[in-house]
Amino acid sequence: EAGVTQSPRYAVLQEGQAVSFWCDPISGHDTLYWYQQPRDQGPQLLVYFRDEAVIDNSQLPSDRFSAVRPKGTNSTLKIQSAKQGDTATYLCASRGTSNTEVFFGKGTRLTVV
Amino acid sequence: QQKVQQSPESLTVSEGAMASLNCTFSDGTSNNFRWYRQHSAKGLEVLVSIFSDGEKEEGRFTAHLNRANLHVSLHIREPQPSDSAVYLCAVSFSGSWQLIFGSGTQLTVMP
Repeated sequence: EAGVTQSPRYAVLQEGQAVSFWCDPISGHDTLYWYQQPRDQGPQLLVYFRDEAVIDNSQLPSDRFSAVRPKGTNSTLKIQSAKQGDTATYLCASRGTSNTEVFFGKGTRLTVV
Repeated sequence: QQKVQQSPESLTVSEGAMASLNCTFSDGTSNNFRWYRQHSAKGLEVLVSIFSDGEKEEGRFTAHLNRANLHVSLHIREPQPSDSAVYLCAVSFSGSWQLIFGSGTQLTVMP
């Protein structure tokens, strides 16, 4: 079974630029999560979906961040006008209805200079 | 708001010596606890999930949960240099599945 796939693996931006991250969850998993992990910290939840619906986006900086999962499968996280403080690894994770575990992708490491 | 704290921040052990990592949490109604390992090239790998007080063993990894003391630990038996990584504790509530992570312990295993 393929795991959670994320792309790109790395991104380097200048402040003010936009970037999109893509996630392909494990096939059949209805719940998808996006986490932000700053250097030397644990992952922090940004947003999560069940199928195509946003369940909780209270931690998503709504002025510059957006996330969609239009068909309940793949998802895209976008940052408009990136700031240096957005430098972090962005992790996608998924979970199936009958599964008690959350499986993570390898992440996208973003550097904003 | 649930807070999860891990100690120590970093730990160096010799190959074959037991490694012990600690995690404290603030909300005793939490009932799902997990330990993850994070290699930079491999992402997060779940090692042990524990849902009730006591001990849970998965190979060389053993988790101990004491909900009354708001504490969960991870013990790694016979650690190897390949176990060198960041170890993350994650806590959640039943039915929530929102994982709240600690900041991690950087483990280095010396040959």
